[in-house]
Amino acid sequence: NAGVTQTPKFQVLKTGQSMTLQCAQDMNHEYMSWYRQDPGMGLRLIHYSVGAGITDQGEVPNGYNVSRSTTEDFPLRLLSAAPSQTSVYFCASTRGDEQFFGPGTRLTVL
Amino acid sequence: AQSVTQLDSQVPVFEEAPVELRCNYSSSVSVYLFWYVQYPNQGLQLLLKYLSGSTLVKGINGFEAEFNKSQTSFHLRKPSVHISDTAEYFCAVSDPTASKLTFGTGTRLQVTL
Repeated sequence: NAGVTQTPKFQVLKTGQSMTLQCAQDMNHEYMSWYRQDPGMGLRLIHYSVGAGITDQGEVPNGYNVSRSTTEDFPLRLLSAAPSQTSVYFCASTRGDEQFFGPGTRLTVL
Repeated sequence: AQSVTQLDSQVPVFEEAPVELRCNYSSSVSVYLFWYVQYPNQGLQLLLKYLSGSTLVKGINGFEAEFNKSQTSFHLRKPSVHISDTAEYFCAVSDPTASKLTFGTGTRLQVTL
């Protein structure tokens, strides 16, 4: 199993540009989530999904959209990037009481 | 609502010395507790977890943690650290569904010779 994969690993955007961060898992987990990690703030939940077709907001959802058309994929969209969205983004999938994290995407918005 | 406080942002320690990383939580319901480790430029890896039962939990790489309900703490300990333990450590709490984690701000453990 590849586990949780994320692409790209690094990305630089200009303010106002849009992009999609990809996340996929091959463990058939129903629950998936997106976090952002900022210095001194730990990880904060952006959006999560309890299964295909079902998503909900986390702690810091503003500026981000998600959809879940399949069990495997959970993309995160930035419609109009802002410098405040410069961060490291982690995707995770959950089995029972344990979350499995992807390697992260480091995003810089200029 | 749940919250997690990691009292130390950085902990410097010499190799082979013992270490304790402190974590306190607050919650109005029963909780699950976790410690994750993040090595430089990598994702998070589960060290150990407390769900129920014995309050002393043993994890990977020689780490252990003790759940103390009266003090709402879940401190992480290792009796003898190695250089390879240098990393950032995150304490996290979830409700019993274990679906949404609330993380602390992290403690950077720096092990030197």
